[in-house]
Amino acid sequence: EDQVTQSPEALRLQEGESSSLNCSYTVSGLRGLFWYRQDPGKGPEFLFTLYSAGEEKEKERLKATLTKKESFLHITAPKPEDSATYLCAVQGGSARQLTFGSGTQLTVLP
Amino acid sequence: DAGVTQSPTHLIKTRGQQVTLRCSPKSGHDTVSWYQQALGQGPQFIFQYYEEEERQRGNFPDRFSGHQFPNYSSELNVNALLLGDSALYLCASSLGTSGGDTQYFGPGTRLTVL
Repeated sequence: EDQVTQSPEALRLQEGESSSLNCSYTVSGLRGLFWYRQDPGKGPEFLFTLYSAGEEKEKERLKATLTKKESFLHITAPKPEDSATYLCAVQGGSARQLTFGSGTQLTVLP
Repeated sequence: DAGVTQSPTHLIKTRGQQVTLRCSPKSGHDTVSWYQQALGQGPQFIFQYYEEEERQRGNFPDRFSGHQFPNYSSELNVNALLLGDSALYLCASSLGTSGGDTQYFGPGTRLTVL
């Protein structure tokens, strides 16, 4: 059974204070690891898909990396508008569904 | 380019009632997945529809059923509602022809069961 654990559960940063969110996973035959951003009461917004260890992707202040056991979402010089819950999900084996972690709730203070 | 749309936005029902939620996929997508998200948790997979058939199902009772139409839109039906069915219901669309396909989510339907 695929499993995803995200840490920390909550993170408070000052504007401009860089940090990283962790996503540890176990999956039989990784087909994709996905990062989403979710604002309160809204649907998850797609950020990145990573397919193999060593892969990295960037978008504005966000950079996602992948190893065989975990993924990191690095946030460089965050702004208050980056405040949201960040979700990590995996798809593995013959499964079509995404298995999600519980998310990291990020708050960036001005 | 229209993204994934869902209706209604909010819904209030009482225990024992039945509910139908609707989803239109992103343009060009042929696969629809449904997820249930409880407060403070990640989404949980309910089932996925492709070519008008249920292709995969998560650990949900058969009170949860669905349908996909020829235009790829989909419905989620929940019978005999329980208080524990209160959640945000999310629809996601993707191209179903290969693995590792990115799923794009709609805004969700907030269901409250009283």
